Amino acid sequence: GESVGLHLPTLSVQEGDNSIINCAYSNSASDYFIWYKQESGKGPQFIIDIRSNMDKRQGQRVTVLLNKTVKHLSLQIAATQPGDSAVYFCAENYGGSQGNLIFGKGTKLSVKP
Amino acid sequence: DVKVTQSSRYLVKRTGEKVFLECVQDMDHENMFWYRQDPGLGLRLIYFSYDVKMKEKGDIPEGYSVSREKKERFSLILESASTNQTSMYLCASRPQGGETQYFGPGTRLLVL
Repeated sequence: GESVGLHLPTLSVQEGDNSIINCAYSNSASDYFIWYKQESGKGPQFIIDIRSNMDKRQGQRVTVLLNKTVKHLSLQIAATQPGDSAVYFCAENYGGSQGNLIFGKGTKLSVKP
Repeated sequence: DVKVTQSSRYLVKRTGEKVFLECVQDMDHENMFWYRQDPGLGLRLIYFSYDVKMKEKGDIPEGYSVSREKKERFSLILESASTNQTSMYLCASRPQGGETQYFGPGTRLLVL
């Protein structure tokens, strides 16, 4: 809900601009990564994922980039819309199908009309 | 589409009460998870289950228990609610062999 956004880094963008949200992950053995979007008062919603054998993956208006050298993940949103306003967080997995996800704390994206 | 539902969106309970949070998924997923989400702390895993009647402790199991009597249902129990259990509780499910977790809408619990 609203309190999820407190104490988080905030990115403020103008409607129509591109947004880039960054995430540093913790484990060099992680081989699967997910971006989630969480709107106010709702549960996290899957956006896009990427495996460590890739460095880029594109979806509809979203692109995820993976830099394993520096353990960095980014989410790019093209032509940001007011409906994109939410908290975005990444998750990593290093245990395959037996592992559990480790979640980042998130970034709050605010889109100005 | 995967659907994960939680029995309540908002709950208000008193200290010492026993609280049940229910989660149901309709995709026949083997794995289910309970998290709590607090400002500045992100999602923290309380308990998870790989199969019916099986449960594993997560990172913060103290003060909680769980029940998985049916594959589609995973319940989180607060035996004696305390004010520090005021939080947003999120349930998730994941298919066997998969890595993506799918979340429910969350239950915001206030313990007075």
